[in-house]
Amino acid sequence: GQQVMQIPQYQHVQEGEDFTTYCNSSTTLSNIQWYKQRPGGHPVFLIQLVKSGEVKKQKRLTFQFGEAKKNSSLHITATQTTDVGTYFCAPSGAGSYQLTFGKGTKLSVIP
Amino acid sequence: KAGVTQTPRYLIKTRGQQVTLSCSPISGHRSVSWYQQTPGQGLQFLFEYFSETQRNKGNFPGRFSGRQFSNSRSEMNVSTLELGDSALYLCASSFNRGMNTEAFFGQGTRLTVV
Repeated sequence: GQQVMQIPQYQHVQEGEDFTTYCNSSTTLSNIQWYKQRPGGHPVFLIQLVKSGEVKKQKRLTFQFGEAKKNSSLHITATQTTDVGTYFCAPSGAGSYQLTFGKGTKLSVIP
Repeated sequence: KAGVTQTPRYLIKTRGQQVTLSCSPISGHRSVSWYQQTPGQGLQFLFEYFSETQRNKGNFPGRFSGRQFSNSRSEMNVSTLELGDSALYLCASSFNRGMNTEAFFGQGTRLTVV
């Protein structure tokens, strides 16, 4: 499976602040998926990025895929308590059908 | 449409015993993958099954095994349980294999080994 470094491991923010998590690979990726896992829950698919430099938005969430397709980020604007959870990136390398996950970034939002 | 169903939800076993976990994928999904989730190691890939064949295997000892039936339902087995096997075991199903395929996760089976 594809190995990636996801940072930071933990992030505590005040409600209303922004939040960003990064996923970095040493090799070129074919695509990358992002998942969210709420406390006590299971991972839920958020989005998939495929193209170099791709940017996708879902309300307050912005996802980016780097030009070199080696890194990706998830940015949340004006966090809310409902954003609490762990965000995982799941990269795929060329010809790989195995979905592996980064270690995740655990987001805590202080009301 | 029913989601991915994992049974049982919770399990307590003693060291040395074996355990079998079950996963029923979303109807029509043919690919099933298994993951072990622990606080320290995150989500670790165990194996993937497609059309009753194991297609990929993660870096786990041979005590961890699985299979897939003709109706795509899957089971995983852990023999000679160790304390370190305590974890949340998650199953994910996908319609097909491929890099552009979204995975749908079940609620997981929480295994505690004492």
